[in-house]
Amino acid sequence: GENVEQHPSTLSVQEGDSAVIKCTYSDSASNYFPWYKQELGKRPQLIIDIRSNVGEKKDQRIAVTLNKTAKHFSLHITETQPEDSAVYFCALLGGGYQKVTFGTGTKLQVIP
Amino acid sequence: NAGVTQTPKFQVLKTGQSMTLQCAQDMNHNSMYWYRQDPGMGLRLIYYSASEGTTDKGEVPNGYNVSRLNKREFSLRLESAAPSQTSVYFCASTLTGSNEQFFGPGTRLTVL
Repeated sequence: GENVEQHPSTLSVQEGDSAVIKCTYSDSASNYFPWYKQELGKRPQLIIDIRSNVGEKKDQRIAVTLNKTAKHFSLHITETQPEDSAVYFCALLGGGYQKVTFGTGTKLQVIP
Repeated sequence: NAGVTQTPKFQVLKTGQSMTLQCAQDMNHNSMYWYRQDPGMGLRLIYYSASEGTTDKGEVPNGYNVSRLNKREFSLRLESAAPSQTSVYFCASTLTGSNEQFFGPGTRLTVL
């Protein structure tokens, strides 16, 4: 099946700094790239997504960039706040039916 | 709307016991999924159902069976539980054409 690698596995930043999480994939047919946030003990929730015909998408303090040539996409969080502390998962949807493959997650800690 | 609901929230089994995890959604979604979440391994797809009456294997189907009872309900059955099946299980659903996955609250299963 599709493989997606996510780095780093843990990330600590000071409040107000930026955080960047990167994912790489191998299947060039992948066409949808969502990011999910999972707070401790809660369910994953979609925070932003991007499709293969777009290079960048922003929503307030979060943005996602996609480089289809290099087969990687990244989540950028600016002006981090303590409530951004959570596990973030990248994911992708391949060329087949609606099977989403998830990365292994990044635990982000924002230090006040 | 309740969204995606799962029962039970917690369960402890002995090796060899069987049980069924229940999932239901009231959003009229076509596709439903079962994932397991283990530390450091992200979310791995067990089975999915693209529409009522169809089911397909995901990445880690061994030891599990599923039933898409109707459009609302998708159950996961462990016929003979093993300690390796200790995990948190999430059900999710998607509206065709949307791609966004809506997750249930999860079931924490421990197999002794």
